[in-house]
Amino acid sequence: DGGITQSPKYLFRKEGQNVTLSCEQNLNHDAMYWYRQDPGQGLRLIYYSQIVNDFQKGDIAEGYSVSREKKESFPLTVTSAQKNPTAFYLCASSPLVIAGGSEQFFGPGTRLTVL
Amino acid sequence: SQQGEEDPQALSIQEGENATMNCSYKTSINNLQWYRQNSGRGLVHLILIRSNEREKHSGRLRVTLDTSKKSSSLLITASRAADTASYFCATDNTGGFKTIFGAGTRLFVKA
Repeated sequence: DGGITQSPKYLFRKEGQNVTLSCEQNLNHDAMYWYRQDPGQGLRLIYYSQIVNDFQKGDIAEGYSVSREKKESFPLTVTSAQKNPTAFYLCASSPLVIAGGSEQFFGPGTRLTVL
Repeated sequence: SQQGEEDPQALSIQEGENATMNCSYKTSINNLQWYRQNSGRGLVHLILIRSNEREKHSGRLRVTLDTSKKSSSLLITASRAADTASYFCATDNTGGFKTIFGAGTRLFVKA
């Protein structure tokens, strides 16, 4: 988990509320990612960003929003439009690689529960 | 959409035994990665194998890749109780920005 932090570790939200999950990295990585993980499942990509002030939708972007104003930070907002937001959220970063891919470094995750 | 599918879904072995997990995928890839996740934690990268490689080793880990069969295997030799975790394969066929993860194999190593 070193180099990339997420906060808070646990988050409780009432229905109808927006909530923002923090992700910070000090690895000087250009690319950052947000994933959602449901029990017993793999990771599904929500949003990713290759460079500051630019980001792209992943496979399940509906009901989520992000910003990338600084290289180190990639916060995720879970809006009230997300119908089933209770899940484990993972942030990751990686060096920007033109071809061939690169390993991703993951934060410790935030467990969001909607009450 | 899940590209990689791991097999088995769960595996229980005794300490000292070898553990083999398999991953199958559907489309051509640039590389395939294996990650480990301890319960309730983030993922840790284990190994990356590129499409032009057939085998890689890292400590007690051995990964093979057969692009003709669109499959990969992860072998953990001389397993330890501390190896208990979920193991995920992840494939990339778009230059690294949309890595797709499978559902994982849950490994339990009994002391």
